[in-house]
Amino acid sequence: GAGVSQSPSNKVTEKGKDVELRCDPISGHTALYWYRQSLGQGLEFLIYFQGNSAPDKSGLPSDRFSAERTGGSVSTLTIQRTQQEDSAVYLCASSLDTYNEQFFGPGTRLTVL
Amino acid sequence: TQLLEQSPQFLSIQEGENLTVYCNSSSVFSSLQWYRQEPGEGPVLLVTVVTGGEVKKLKRLTFQFGDARKDSSLHITAAQPGDTGLYLCAGGSAGGYNKLIFGAGTRLAVHP
Repeated sequence: GAGVSQSPSNKVTEKGKDVELRCDPISGHTALYWYRQSLGQGLEFLIYFQGNSAPDKSGLPSDRFSAERTGGSVSTLTIQRTQQEDSAVYLCASSLDTYNEQFFGPGTRLTVL
Repeated sequence: TQLLEQSPQFLSIQEGENLTVYCNSSSVFSSLQWYRQEPGEGPVLLVTVVTGGEVKKLKRLTFQFGDARKDSSLHITAAQPGDTGLYLCAGGSAGGYNKLIFGAGTRLAVHP
Protein backbone atom coordinates (compact mmCIF):
# COMPACT_ATOMS: atom_id res chain seq x y z
CA GLY A 1 0.00 0.00 0.00
CA ALA A 2 0.96 3.65 -0.32
CA GLY A 3 3.18 5.12 2.33
CA VAL A 4 3.32 8.64 3.68
CA SER A 5 3.84 11.13 0.88
CA GLN A 6 5.04 14.72 1.11
CA SER A 7 5.12 17.55 -1.36
CA PRO A 8 7.03 19.29 -2.67
CA SER A 9 10.18 17.21 -2.27
CA ASN A 10 12.29 20.33 -2.56
CA LYS A 11 11.40 23.97 -2.03
CA VAL A 12 13.68 26.96 -2.53
CA THR A 13 12.30 30.29 -1.40
CA GLU A 14 13.46 33.78 -0.64
CA LYS A 15 13.69 35.16 2.86
CA GLY A 16 10.40 36.74 3.89
CA LYS A 17 8.16 34.61 1.66
CA ASP A 18 5.53 32.19 2.98
CA VAL A 19 5.68 28.46 2.23
CA GLU A 20 3.23 25.58 2.54
CA LEU A 21 4.35 22.00 2.97
CA ARG A 22 1.92 19.13 2.47
CA CYS A 23 1.68 15.70 4.05
CA ASP A 24 -0.56 12.83 2.92
CA PRO A 25 -0.59 10.20 5.67
CA ILE A 26 -1.26 6.51 5.25
CA SER A 27 -4.98 5.96 4.80
CA GLY A 28 -6.70 5.21 8.09
CA HIS A 29 -3.92 6.56 10.29
CA THR A 30 -5.42 8.84 12.91
CA ALA A 31 -2.20 10.27 14.36
CA LEU A 32 0.08 12.60 12.40
CA TYR A 33 3.37 14.20 13.40
CA TRP A 34 5.61 16.91 11.97
CA TYR A 35 9.35 16.99 12.65
CA ARG A 36 12.23 19.16 11.48
CA GLN A 37 15.71 17.80 10.74
CA SER A 38 18.59 20.21 10.34
CA LEU A 39 21.66 19.14 8.38
CA GLY A 40 23.25 16.10 9.97
CA GLN A 41 21.06 16.30 13.06
CA GLY A 42 18.34 14.28 14.69
CA LEU A 43 14.67 15.05 14.43
CA GLU A 44 13.06 17.92 16.31
CA PHE A 45 9.37 17.44 17.16
CA LEU A 46 7.09 20.23 15.93
CA ILE A 47 3.44 19.24 16.32
CA TYR A 48 1.15 16.23 16.81
CA PHE A 49 -2.37 15.74 15.47
CA GLN A 50 -4.95 13.26 16.65
CA GLY A 51 -7.69 13.42 14.06
CA ASN A 52 -8.08 17.09 13.17
CA SER A 53 -7.08 18.48 16.53
CA ALA A 54 -3.55 19.27 17.69
CA PRO A 55 -3.18 18.36 21.38
CA ASP A 56 0.53 19.18 21.34
CA LYS A 57 1.92 22.20 19.48
CA SER A 58 4.77 22.66 21.91
CA GLY A 59 7.50 22.10 19.33
CA LEU A 60 6.54 24.91 16.96
CA PRO A 61 9.56 27.26 17.10
CA SER A 62 7.67 30.54 16.69
CA ASP A 63 4.30 32.00 15.79
CA ARG A 64 5.44 32.07 12.16
CA PHE A 65 4.83 28.32 12.12
CA SER A 66 1.33 26.87 11.96
CA ALA A 67 -0.23 23.59 10.88
CA GLU A 68 -3.65 22.26 10.17
CA ARG A 69 -5.21 18.94 9.33
CA THR A 70 -8.48 18.55 7.50
CA GLY A 71 -10.80 15.56 7.20
CA GLY A 72 -8.53 13.58 9.49
CA SER A 73 -6.17 13.13 6.58
CA VAL A 74 -4.03 15.69 4.74
CA SER A 75 -1.97 18.11 6.80
CA THR A 76 -0.34 21.38 5.81
CA LEU A 77 2.56 23.02 7.62
CA THR A 78 2.79 26.74 6.89
CA ILE A 79 5.82 28.89 7.57
CA GLN A 80 5.24 32.64 7.25
CA ARG A 81 7.95 35.20 6.57
CA THR A 82 10.61 32.51 6.20
CA GLN A 83 14.06 33.06 7.66
CA GLN A 84 17.35 31.42 6.70
CA GLU A 85 17.36 29.43 9.95
CA ASP A 86 14.15 27.74 8.78
CA SER A 87 16.20 25.84 6.17
CA ALA A 88 15.92 22.15 7.02
CA VAL A 89 14.20 18.93 6.00
CA TYR A 90 10.62 18.81 7.24
CA LEU A 91 9.41 15.27 7.90
CA CYS A 92 5.89 14.05 8.41
CA ALA A 93 4.94 10.75 10.06
CA SER A 94 1.66 8.99 10.66
CA SER A 95 0.60 6.13 12.88
CA LEU A 96 -2.49 3.96 13.13
CA ASP A 97 -3.31 5.40 16.50
CA THR A 98 -1.63 7.14 19.38
CA TYR A 99 0.89 4.49 20.45
CA ASN A 100 1.58 2.60 17.24
CA GLU A 101 4.71 2.75 15.12
CA GLN A 102 5.26 5.99 13.25
CA PHE A 103 5.82 5.72 9.51
CA PHE A 104 7.79 8.56 7.98
CA GLY A 105 7.50 10.28 4.65
CA PRO A 106 10.58 11.20 2.57
CA GLY A 107 10.52 14.81 3.73
CA THR A 108 10.52 18.24 2.10
CA ARG A 109 13.90 19.93 1.85
CA LEU A 110 13.37 23.65 2.42
CA THR A 111 16.07 26.12 1.48
CA VAL A 112 15.62 29.78 2.37
CA LEU A 113 17.95 32.08 0.46
CA THR B 1 13.52 18.74 29.22
CA GLN B 2 14.32 15.22 28.10
CA LEU B 3 17.50 14.87 26.03
CA LEU B 4 19.14 11.90 24.35
CA GLU B 5 22.85 11.94 23.61
CA GLN B 6 24.18 9.64 20.93
CA SER B 7 27.79 8.62 20.45
CA PRO B 8 29.83 8.47 18.41
CA GLN B 9 28.57 11.11 15.99
CA PHE B 10 30.54 9.60 13.09
CA LEU B 11 31.91 6.12 12.54
CA SER B 12 33.97 4.94 9.57
CA ILE B 13 34.97 1.28 9.58
CA GLN B 14 36.00 -1.56 7.31
CA GLU B 15 33.68 -4.35 6.25
CA GLY B 16 33.71 -7.17 8.81
CA GLU B 17 34.41 -5.01 11.86
CA ASN B 18 32.12 -4.82 14.88
CA LEU B 19 30.75 -1.57 16.27
CA THR B 20 28.60 -0.23 19.07
CA VAL B 21 26.51 2.95 19.12
CA TYR B 22 25.37 4.42 22.42
CA CYS B 23 22.32 6.43 23.39
CA ASN B 24 22.28 8.01 26.86
CA SER B 25 19.98 10.20 28.90
CA SER B 26 19.44 11.35 32.45
CA SER B 27 15.72 10.81 31.93
CA VAL B 28 13.68 7.63 32.08
CA PHE B 29 11.82 6.67 28.91
CA SER B 30 8.83 4.37 28.57
CA SER B 31 10.34 2.93 25.38
CA LEU B 32 13.40 3.31 23.22
CA GLN B 33 13.37 3.00 19.46
CA TRP B 34 16.17 2.71 16.92
CA TYR B 35 15.77 3.98 13.37
CA ARG B 36 17.90 3.89 10.26
CA GLN B 37 17.73 6.70 7.74
CA GLU B 38 19.15 6.77 4.22
CA PRO B 39 19.76 9.94 2.18
CA GLY B 40 16.56 11.50 0.83
CA GLU B 41 14.32 9.22 2.85
CA GLY B 42 12.57 9.29 6.18
CA PRO B 43 13.73 7.17 9.13
CA VAL B 44 12.66 3.52 9.18
CA LEU B 45 12.01 1.79 12.48
CA LEU B 46 14.39 -1.07 13.30
CA VAL B 47 13.28 -2.03 16.79
CA THR B 48 11.40 -0.92 19.89
CA VAL B 49 12.49 -1.94 23.40
CA VAL B 50 10.23 -1.30 26.36
CA THR B 51 11.51 -3.31 29.33
CA GLY B 52 14.60 -2.42 31.36
CA GLY B 53 17.40 -4.86 30.54
CA GLU B 54 15.66 -6.04 27.38
CA VAL B 55 17.83 -7.37 24.56
CA LYS B 56 16.56 -7.79 21.01
CA LYS B 57 18.38 -9.21 18.04
CA LEU B 58 17.75 -8.47 14.38
CA LYS B 59 20.15 -10.57 12.30
CA ARG B 60 23.58 -9.00 12.95
CA LEU B 61 22.14 -6.15 15.02
CA THR B 62 21.74 -6.41 18.80
CA PHE B 63 19.79 -3.79 20.73
CA GLN B 64 19.83 -3.40 24.50
CA PHE B 65 17.76 -1.21 26.82
CA GLY B 66 19.44 -0.24 30.07
CA ASP B 67 18.10 -1.60 33.36
CA ALA B 68 17.00 1.89 34.43
CA ARG B 69 15.49 2.66 30.98
CA LYS B 70 17.76 5.69 30.58
CA ASP B 71 20.18 4.34 28.00
CA SER B 72 20.45 1.95 25.08
CA SER B 73 23.03 0.48 22.75
CA LEU B 74 23.10 -0.86 19.22
CA HIS B 75 25.79 -3.40 18.39
CA ILE B 76 26.48 -4.49 14.81
CA THR B 77 28.51 -7.63 14.22
CA ALA B 78 30.56 -8.06 11.06
CA ALA B 79 29.38 -4.81 9.47
CA GLN B 80 28.55 -4.80 5.78
CA PRO B 81 28.57 -1.87 3.30
CA GLY B 82 24.78 -2.17 3.23
CA ASP B 83 24.73 -1.11 6.90
CA THR B 84 25.89 2.37 5.90
CA GLY B 85 23.45 5.07 6.98
CA LEU B 86 22.31 7.37 9.78
CA TYR B 87 21.24 5.54 12.93
CA LEU B 88 18.89 7.41 15.25
CA CYS B 89 17.69 6.51 18.71
CA ALA B 90 14.41 7.92 19.99
CA GLY B 91 12.91 7.81 23.46
CA GLY B 92 9.19 7.54 23.97
CA SER B 93 7.49 9.36 26.82
CA ALA B 94 4.44 8.28 28.72
CA GLY B 95 2.65 11.55 28.05
CA GLY B 96 -0.54 10.24 26.59
CA TYR B 97 0.80 9.63 23.12
CA ASN B 98 3.94 8.38 21.39
CA LYS B 99 5.94 11.58 21.60
CA LEU B 100 9.48 10.77 20.51
CA ILE B 101 12.64 12.55 21.60
CA PHE B 102 15.41 11.90 19.06
CA GLY B 103 19.14 11.75 19.49
CA ALA B 104 21.34 13.59 17.00
CA GLY B 105 22.24 10.37 15.21
CA THR B 106 25.33 8.34 14.35
CA ARG B 107 26.48 8.45 10.76
CA LEU B 108 28.00 5.06 9.89
CA ALA B 109 30.12 4.38 6.82
CA VAL B 110 31.21 0.80 6.15
CA HIS B 111 33.91 0.49 3.50
CA PRO B 112 34.43 -2.66 1.41
